[in-house]
Amino acid sequence: GAVVSQHPSWVICKSGTSVKIECRSLDFQATTMFWYRQFPKQSLMLMATSNEGSKATYEQGVEKDKFLINHASLTLSTLTVTSAHPEDSSFYICSARPPGGTSYYEQYFGPGTRLTVT
Amino acid sequence: RKEVEQDPGPFNVPEGATVAFNCTYSNSASQSFFWYRQDCRKEPKLLMSVYSSGNEDGRFTAQLNRASQYISLLIRDSKLSDSATYLCVVNRSNFGNEKLTFGTGTRLTIIP
Repeated sequence: GAVVSQHPSWVICKSGTSVKIECRSLDFQATTMFWYRQFPKQSLMLMATSNEGSKATYEQGVEKDKFLINHASLTLSTLTVTSAHPEDSSFYICSARPPGGTSYYEQYFGPGTRLTVT
Repeated sequence: RKEVEQDPGPFNVPEGATVAFNCTYSNSASQSFFWYRQDCRKEPKLLMSVYSSGNEDGRFTAQLNRASQYISLLIRDSKLSDSATYLCVVNRSNFGNEKLTFGTGTRLTIIP
């Protein structure tokens, strides 16, 4: 099946610093990747859709200047949390959609990055 | 009203039993439907897609009722390894922009 990796798997940073999270599709090219956030005991919430070679599309209420997304190649998208605050502590998960396949809308998820801001 | 609603559980079921989860969605324009499972502190993994005709994958059976905007998942002969949170997921495409909307999940614990 399609494999998506994320790095780092967990990170602790100080308030005010920036953190970059990488999402890679390992065995397929993904023109579209998605970034989600999940707070404890809550559902995954889509933050933004990352499109290779163009600007990301952000969901309502997500600050694009705070959560910078760069989809520089067909296998890599990055999410940078700028000036992180404790309330940004969450589980960040990316997903990618392989082209074709039996279901066009299936998405495969990375293992997630647990961010703790102190 | 939430776009996707699920009974959060928890469901504590003895091993070998049959368990059913239900899910409703509010947007009639939704086009694709899925069940994912998520283990504690892990990413969601696709369990199965859900089709109008109903589909089965081993011990798992999924049903979709578009008229009632209702999705179900049935697990037969439950195993200890089935313990997880099951996420009902709905996909909607709006002017080419697709979006997966997740339910909050139903937590299942299989008891030995």
